Amino acid sequence: QKEVEQDPGPLSVPEGAIVSLNCTYSNSAFQYFMWYRQYSRKGPELLMYTYSSGNKEDGRFTAQVDKSSKYISLFIRDSQPSDSATYLCAMRTAGGTSYGKLTFGQGTILTVHP
Amino acid sequence: NAGVTQTPKFRILKIGQSMTLQCTQDMNHNYMYWYRQDPGMGLKLIYYSVGAGITDKGEVPNGYNVSRSTTEDFPLRLELAAPSQTSVYFCASSLYTTEAFFGQGTRLTVV
Repeated sequence: QKEVEQDPGPLSVPEGAIVSLNCTYSNSAFQYFMWYRQYSRKGPELLMYTYSSGNKEDGRFTAQVDKSSKYISLFIRDSQPSDSATYLCAMRTAGGTSYGKLTFGQGTILTVHP
Repeated sequence: NAGVTQTPKFRILKIGQSMTLQCTQDMNHNYMYWYRQDPGMGLKLIYYSVGAGITDKGEVPNGYNVSRSTTEDFPLRLELAAPSQTSVYFCASSLYTTEAFFGQGTRLTVV
């Protein structure tokens, strides 16, 4: 079983839609949760960063972490064509034998059409 | 700040050849990573390092080697290149548990 599972999509939505992206994980030691956005032929860039459970909002983006269910989500409101990209979840532990290791999900390809 | 710099950007290797992918960062980050990304796939961790002189294997280390003699540099060595190593390679760095910054990638083709 992979440590981090992410539905690869692809996901296609009309402009203005609310997008929901999700990841599940199996390692209960994960404490730091991130969402990265990757445009075609570019390196990933950080979109959201959260520590432990809870919600975090930044403009049109909201990240949610539910540690009891080992489930994280990214919501995009009022989606725009410029949001078309691959979205990757990433997680790391706070310590232990694999401290420092940063594990990514498979990535979800999102297309927002006008 | 240049951030994370990877060289070369593109490379074609013949089967059995060797090469080193260079990665350097100027942010004084202690953690550094090497990932590979196959088409339509996520990032698979090859090796990582939590500081100079310390390296550890990720998910897919076979066929690769790394060293970390300085804080700034984290080269990835491919010995005896195989077609299965055709991929895009990303180097990244972070300061402890903060966000990781990525380079622009090296596109490697093994023929």
